[in-house]
Amino acid sequence: RKEVEQDPGPFNVPEGATVAFNCTYSNSASQSFFWYRQDCRKEPKLLMSVYSSGNEDGRFTAQLNRASQYISLLIRDSKLSDSATYLCVVNFSNYGQNFVFGPGTRLSVLP
Amino acid sequence: GAVVSQHPSRVICKSGTSVKIECRSLDFQATTMFWYRQFPKKSLMLMATSNEGSKATYEQGVEKDKFLINHASLTLSTLTVTSAHPEDSSFYICSARDQGLSSGGANVLTFGAGSRLTVL
Repeated sequence: RKEVEQDPGPFNVPEGATVAFNCTYSNSASQSFFWYRQDCRKEPKLLMSVYSSGNEDGRFTAQLNRASQYISLLIRDSKLSDSATYLCVVNFSNYGQNFVFGPGTRLSVLP
Repeated sequence: GAVVSQHPSRVICKSGTSVKIECRSLDFQATTMFWYRQFPKKSLMLMATSNEGSKATYEQGVEKDKFLINHASLTLSTLTVTSAHPEDSSFYICSARDQGLSSGGANVLTFGAGSRLTVL
């Protein structure tokens, strides 16, 4: 079983739609969780960290469920500029360097 | 926020030559940096962890004599692809972990812009 798994995608949604991505992780000792966004032929950029209480940043909402070992990302009112690959990243230790990336979920927002 | 500079962004070389890629943390110190490789439409693959002042830690299947990593200072790590082969053509990305004030101590990874290597 892979350490971090994501919805395979691709997700093709119309502008204005709401879309949700899920990510599961295998290591219950995981400490930190992140969503990164990667545009084609560019480096990943931090979208948001994911906190235990859940957090929201504008149209983006991240949730963490430690009991079930999954995190989610919800995008409301999708924009064309949201088209990208979304990477789930899990750090298995706050003191170590074990950042593990999911395979990514590709989103295309269509006009 | 934290900034990681990676250079060159693109490089084309002939088979058999060596190519050096630099990764610098501009506004923070990074005792550890990471080197990734990414093939088209694939996710990042961690190649190695670069440790300042000591040997890099390579992931399974990554040839350490092929991909030389040097982390001579707290702000600079280099990856040298030796005896480059067309199969080494890829997108190489570095990252560093910033635990400082710029990230609120949030243990966030910041990436360089990547280096696209083409070996002819």
